[in-house]
Amino acid sequence: AQTVTQSQPEMSVQEAETVTLSCTYDTSESDYYLFWYKQPPSRQMILVIRQEAYKQQNATENRFSVNFQKAAKSFSLKISDSQLGDAAMYFCAYRMMNTGFQKLVFGTGTRLLVSP
Amino acid sequence: DVKVTQSSRYLVKRTGEKVFLECVQDMDHENMFWYRQDPGLGLRLIYFSYDVKMKEKGDIPEGYSVSREKKERFSLILESASTNQTSMYLCASSLLGTGTYEQYFGPGTRLTVT
Repeated sequence: AQTVTQSQPEMSVQEAETVTLSCTYDTSESDYYLFWYKQPPSRQMILVIRQEAYKQQNATENRFSVNFQKAAKSFSLKISDSQLGDAAMYFCAYRMMNTGFQKLVFGTGTRLLVSP
Repeated sequence: DVKVTQSSRYLVKRTGEKVFLECVQDMDHENMFWYRQDPGLGLRLIYFSYDVKMKEKGDIPEGYSVSREKKERFSLILESASTNQTSMYLCASSLLGTGTYEQYFGPGTRLTVT
């Protein structure tokens, strides 16, 4: 079974600084998708960024980028120029490619605190 | 604007009660999901459905059942609520297919069973 591990329960960053959240996963599949979701306090979870495992290029979305290391099964999220609105729980998630059911396996989450 | 709504933000029930959690999406998505979120455990899949009247067990289906009579609505049922079912329940929906379709989440229902 696939597993996703987020080893940092909580991280802190100051505004305008850069922070990296770690995620590792375990799978025997060669094709899959990886996601980072953000859950702000008392607000709905939203997708931050996604990566296809067959793509070597790391995904980027504005201030958010990933460092995808397929051989190491690592998928870290880098947030540049951190803002107060980035404070949230961040979940890493894995999905097999060869299924239409879109089942996600989530990590345990990392709480990001942002200070002025 | 896409939307997933859940019937209640907060719910308090007594042990042994039958509990219904409702989820509605307006995006014509085939897939719908129920997750349970607990501190330190992340999100765990309870059940999902890929079509009307179709359902599949997730990782922790024990003590739960689901119903999907209409495409836009997916209900989670706790047949006899227990205190260990106190948790945050999240509903989500997505398109059916092998693409990188994101899941859209509802605001969650915080259920307390006393």
